[in-house]
Amino acid sequence: ETGVTQTPRHLVMGMTNKKSLKCEQHLGHNAMYWYKQSAKKPLELMFVYNFKEQTENNSVPSRFSPECPNSSHLFLHLHTLQPEDSALYLCASSQGATVQETQYFGPGTRLLVL
Amino acid sequence: LAKTTQPISMDSYEGQEVNITCSHNNIATNDYITWYQQFPSQGPRFIIQGYKTKVTNEVASLFIPADRKSSTLSLPRVSLSDTAVYYCLVGNNDMRFGAGTRLTVKP
Repeated sequence: ETGVTQTPRHLVMGMTNKKSLKCEQHLGHNAMYWYKQSAKKPLELMFVYNFKEQTENNSVPSRFSPECPNSSHLFLHLHTLQPEDSALYLCASSQGATVQETQYFGPGTRLLVL
Repeated sequence: LAKTTQPISMDSYEGQEVNITCSHNNIATNDYITWYQQFPSQGPRFIIQGYKTKVTNEVASLFIPADRKSSTLSLPRVSLSDTAVYYCLVGNNDMRFGAGTRLTVKP
């Protein structure tokens, strides 16, 4: 257990559905991240939040909408996704939003878009 | 932002020492070097971090030469369970993971 939880662990959705991924950290960290990992590909950083403010958006399509209501919770709202969005979505947190701060990752949500 | 280069894959046998080198020629003065390990279908896990010389913990050692343009992660006496992807991150604000090194430990 890393102190970062993600729900659901698995999700199957159609292209017209709307769903949300949830991430919660119990570590008292100030920074939270969303990553995408497609099969056999490197991790792709999607969004960075520091003290609830979005500090990075790596050209992510608008069908992915993040929300960070407080430093402990991070959501990723999904709508009108494409099959190529099927991937493992990982949430992470760290004390600060710098590389020298250790990132703690959740178990991920395995998403399948049909 | 310091770009990193690692071998794409490495093979080893149980009980051997494995050394994975990461090149980071453009490392900045205040950049740290951090290594993560990732098993399939799991998030990466922090292994070790260093700034210069040598760092050792219960899992690995990290060797950093004086010019800091490279670093070597050393895993002593690997086992089958060390089969994973190993990532080297260098920088201050860039959280991007590269392709990593896929280590396969064989019996």
